[in-house]
Amino acid sequence: EAEVAQSPRYKITEKSQAVAFWCDPISGHATLYWYRQILGQGPELLVQFQDESVVDDSQLPKDRFSAERLKGVDSTLKIQPAELGDSAMYLCASSSRVNTEAFFGQGTRLTVV
Amino acid sequence: DQQVKQNSPSLSVQEGRISILNCDYTNSMFDYFLWYKKYPAEGPTFLISISSIKDKNEDGRFTVFLNKSAKHLSLHIVPSQPGDSAVYFCAASARETSGSRLTFGEGTQLTVNP
Repeated sequence: EAEVAQSPRYKITEKSQAVAFWCDPISGHATLYWYRQILGQGPELLVQFQDESVVDDSQLPKDRFSAERLKGVDSTLKIQPAELGDSAMYLCASSSRVNTEAFFGQGTRLTVV
Repeated sequence: DQQVKQNSPSLSVQEGRISILNCDYTNSMFDYFLWYKKYPAEGPTFLISISSIKDKNEDGRFTVFLNKSAKHLSLHIVPSQPGDSAVYFCAASARETSGSRLTFGEGTQLTVNP
């Protein structure tokens, strides 16, 4: 069964350091999402790509977060510098076209110390 | 501004009985609703969805009901099984205005006791 792949599964970093997460969506899925889930809350959208273009980054803290999907396939989310409040689960999801359900990867659990 | 709310943080039911998870929303532009299930340290898994043109959708043990006038939806699981124990998230999208972007509720922890 096709899956969304994310790495790493877990990441511990010191505050002010840079950290990056990688996502490989289900093959053929044009839409890719990065969500952040803080413990006890629901996932919140950070950025949405349609192919290689950003279609929604209104909730992305652009002073420290960046995301790219250069070839319209896999994607990288970067935080620089990391802050204590960035500790959360970072989830990548993809969907085959706009208006269908999103399929999530297993996530990257980030702890900033 | 919490547009999707799950007012019950937790729910406990006996195996074999019905589990009913509730969700309320405020944005009248939402036209597509989904339920996801999440185990600890894993990503959410899609369960079932419903379009606003319907009031019920059923898939095996899972049924989602939508009451548009009340801006309320619910997920029924019957019969409940211990393996159903997880956090359940309600999500919604406003496809006409926001495309496939999902807005999630806070989640409800379901515990099914043997």
